[in-house]
Amino acid sequence: AQTVTQSQPEMSVQEAETVTLSCTYDTSESNYYLFWYKQPPSRQMILVIRQEAYKQQNATENRFSVNFQKAAKSFSLKISDSQLGDTAMYFCAFMKPWTNAGKSTFGDGTTLTVKP
Amino acid sequence: ETGVTQTPRHLVMGMTNKKSLKCEQHLGHNAMYWYKQSAKKPLELMFVYNFKEQTENNSVPSRFSPECPNSSHLFLHLHTLQPEDSALYLCASSQDGSSPLHFGNGTRLTVT
Repeated sequence: AQTVTQSQPEMSVQEAETVTLSCTYDTSESNYYLFWYKQPPSRQMILVIRQEAYKQQNATENRFSVNFQKAAKSFSLKISDSQLGDTAMYFCAFMKPWTNAGKSTFGDGTTLTVKP
Repeated sequence: ETGVTQTPRHLVMGMTNKKSLKCEQHLGHNAMYWYKQSAKKPLELMFVYNFKEQTENNSVPSRFSPECPNSSHLFLHLHTLQPEDSALYLCASSQDGSSPLHFGNGTRLTVT
């Protein structure tokens, strides 16, 4: 079974600064996907960024980038130029591709507060 | 427009009631999921449907009964729930086994 660990329950950052959220996972699989999802106070969970394990290049999406260390089973999220709208709970997720419906395992989440 | 719509947004029910949660996705996805999100706990996968067929029941008590009449609709029928079942219930869909999840806004369920 896969496990996902987010060791930072809460973090805060000043607006316009950079923050890094950590995530580690444990798996014996070689082919998998990793995601960061964001859940703002409005509750809707939305995808932030996705990483395929077979790709060595770190994924980036505008101000969001990841540091994927496959050997260390680490998948951190860096948010640059933080904005007030980035305030949310962030979940790291591991997905094992499974025929037509992938099964995702989530971490406990990190609550990020961006301060003005 | 989220693409995945859940109703109702809030639900309060007694332990002897029967109610249903509804989820509809407008994304043409093939897989749909129910997740339970409780305070201080990670998201728990409850059920997975793939092309209308249930492919996963993650040891969920029988007081939760899913129904997937077609690839666009998913229901969660509730009966004789316990107070510890109070949580946010999230519906999600995905195109296939390598695609990310698209979530609805969730139903905040309170069992009294």
